[in-house]
Amino acid sequence: EAGVVQSPRYKIIEKKQPVAFWCNPISGHNTLYWYLQNLGQGPELLIRYENEEAVDDSQLPKDRFSAERLKGVDSTLKIQPAELGDSAVYLCASSLGGRGPANTGELFFGEGSRLTVL
Amino acid sequence: EDQVTQSPEALRLQEGESSSLNCSYTVSGLRGLFWYRQDPGKGPEFLFTLYSAGEEKEKERLKATLTKKESFLHITAPKPEDSATYLCAVQARGRSGGQNFVFGPGTRLSVLP
Repeated sequence: EAGVVQSPRYKIIEKKQPVAFWCNPISGHNTLYWYLQNLGQGPELLIRYENEEAVDDSQLPKDRFSAERLKGVDSTLKIQPAELGDSAVYLCASSLGGRGPANTGELFFGEGSRLTVL
Repeated sequence: EDQVTQSPEALRLQEGESSSLNCSYTVSGLRGLFWYRQDPGKGPEFLFTLYSAGEEKEKERLKATLTKKESFLHITAPKPEDSATYLCAVQARGRSGGQNFVFGPGTRLSVLP
């Protein structure tokens, strides 16, 4: 079974340019996360979706970041305009979600999208 | 506020030299503590979940243990392929439906042949 797929893997842009990242979660996973990971740090949550609903976007800088998860499957994270400090790895993760015993809480991560803003 | 710290920041071992990584946490009601392994240029990969103090889990050369305030990842007779960053994360009860995780900064492990 395919894992979490992210694209692009690498992106280099000039500051003030827009950029978008795409994530396809594991089939059947209702919960989708976008994390930001700086070098030498652990992942930090940007936004969490339960199906198509953003249930926690408190850490998303809404002046320049936006995200969507149409139809509760694929998701896109956009930055416009990008700033130098946005250089980081953007990780997408998915989990089964729900409150049943099958939900062990395990997160499945994609390989990440590395953004460099010049 | 939920917090996770990990120590040491980096650890260099000789092949076969056993050691332990520490994860200390403060959380308002622990739902689960997770260990992940992250290789350079890759996303984190799940290793273990621990739910209650006293619980232990093992996988090959790794064993994770949990107390009320910290978790240890013990590495027995490590091999070079165990070199990676090991991340600890906590899942709190009652916070946004219990589905949010707080990650520590990780411990960078290097095992030399």
